[in-house]
Amino acid sequence: DADVTQTPRNRITKTGKRIMLECSQTKGHDRMYWYRQDPGLGLRLIYYSFDVKDINKGEISDGYSVSRQAQAKFSLSLESAIPNQTALYFCATSPGQGWRETQYFGPGTRLLVL
Amino acid sequence: ELKVEQNPLFLSMQEGKNYTIYCNYSTTSDRLYWYRQDPGKSLESLFVLLSNGAVKQEGRLMASLDTKARLSTLHITAAVHDLSATYFCAVDISAGNMLTFGGGTRLMVKP
Repeated sequence: DADVTQTPRNRITKTGKRIMLECSQTKGHDRMYWYRQDPGLGLRLIYYSFDVKDINKGEISDGYSVSRQAQAKFSLSLESAIPNQTALYFCATSPGQGWRETQYFGPGTRLLVL
Repeated sequence: ELKVEQNPLFLSMQEGKNYTIYCNYSTTSDRLYWYRQDPGKSLESLFVLLSNGAVKQEGRLMASLDTKARLSTLHITAAVHDLSATYFCAVDISAGNMLTFGGGTRLMVKP
């Protein structure tokens, strides 16, 4: 079984709709991250969380919100989706003392906003 | 603001040839990561480089880090088709393992 899972894997929604992308991990890691990938660009950090009570904005947080429901679960919400939020979204995790560790990525959620 | 630039952005090469992908970054860091992404797939960790002069090798891939030049290289030796993928470097300048990614290098190895 995958250590980092994301649901849904694909989603089509309409402008103005609220949607939630979910991420779960069985790695026991404290740190979780949400990234966005656009074609021809690298990944950009949206939000990150170092533990359940710690949530921080990343490079491109406008239009997004997150919730860390438990150590293993980190959700990303688009309150009112817009077409330029069409992208591939990745969740990632790293260990608690993870500044020397790589990040482990989920399979991604492909989102299309019409 | 940290900027991470990779070049080339696209690389088409013949099997058996050697080539190098470059990753330049704008702010001092001694923590650099390489990832591989196959089409439609997630990112897979390749190398973690944590000090000046660090060199890591796995099969036909070798990565190095020069923190003074703010440069990392990913060298491909005797390329094979299975190495076709997009390769990303990422740099961490924080204490919190927050990565800034380069734009990626799409590698295509032709038989």
